[in-house]
Amino acid sequence: ETVLTQSPGTLSLSPGERATLSCRASQSVSTNYLAWYQQKPGQAPRLLLYGTSTRATGIPDRFSGSGSGTDFTLTISRLEPEDFAVYYCQQYGGSPLYIFGQGTKLEIK
Amino acid sequence: QVQLQESGPGLVKPSETLSLTCAVSGYSITTNWWSWVRQPPGKGLEWIGEIYHSGRANYNPSLKSRVTLSADKSKNQFSLNLTSVTAADTAVYFCVRNGYYSGDPWGQGTLVTVSS
Repeated sequence: ETVLTQSPGTLSLSPGERATLSCRASQSVSTNYLAWYQQKPGQAPRLLLYGTSTRATGIPDRFSGSGSGTDFTLTISRLEPEDFAVYYCQQYGGSPLYIFGQGTKLEIK
Repeated sequence: QVQLQESGPGLVKPSETLSLTCAVSGYSITTNWWSWVRQPPGKGLEWIGEIYHSGRANYNPSLKSRVTLSADKSKNQFSLNLTSVTAADTAVYFCVRNGYYSGDPWGQGTLVTVSS
């Protein structure tokens, strides 16, 4: 079973700064099969990126994704106040079919 | 605009069956696969399983013995049954439309508490 490990667990930054979130898989993942979500308190997760780097509908271009193999990154170029949330990576294709990382909490410094 | 809405009891007794339904509006369930995902309070996300309108389903092996998913094309909805629940099944349950190896959109979620 593939395990997704996200780091750091908590990231403390200020608005305007650049955020870099990591997702490491225990086995190689196709770039087609890696997605990122944002979840705010009391809300459902929202799809940000799929296929590693394709932004979902309505997602601002300050969100970008990269990576291959076992290492993937979500980058937020300039943090806006509404970006402070928990972020999850997700892989398709293993067992179970969909696996989530444990999440990174992005908090205001 | 596609919308998903979960419904079902918010409280289930231990050993009983948790039953939830996801009503889909603005989109036909015959077009995609549909998933259930749960999130225990303060914890991460766990995929439960996915269903196609034909009835074909895939399940998380860790829950497979207790989960049944079904779909009703006539009502444009799909459902989750989870048997023999314990306190560990207390969670917010989300229904999700499967897209490109990902889920979008998600329902707002419904909290199900397992307690006597």
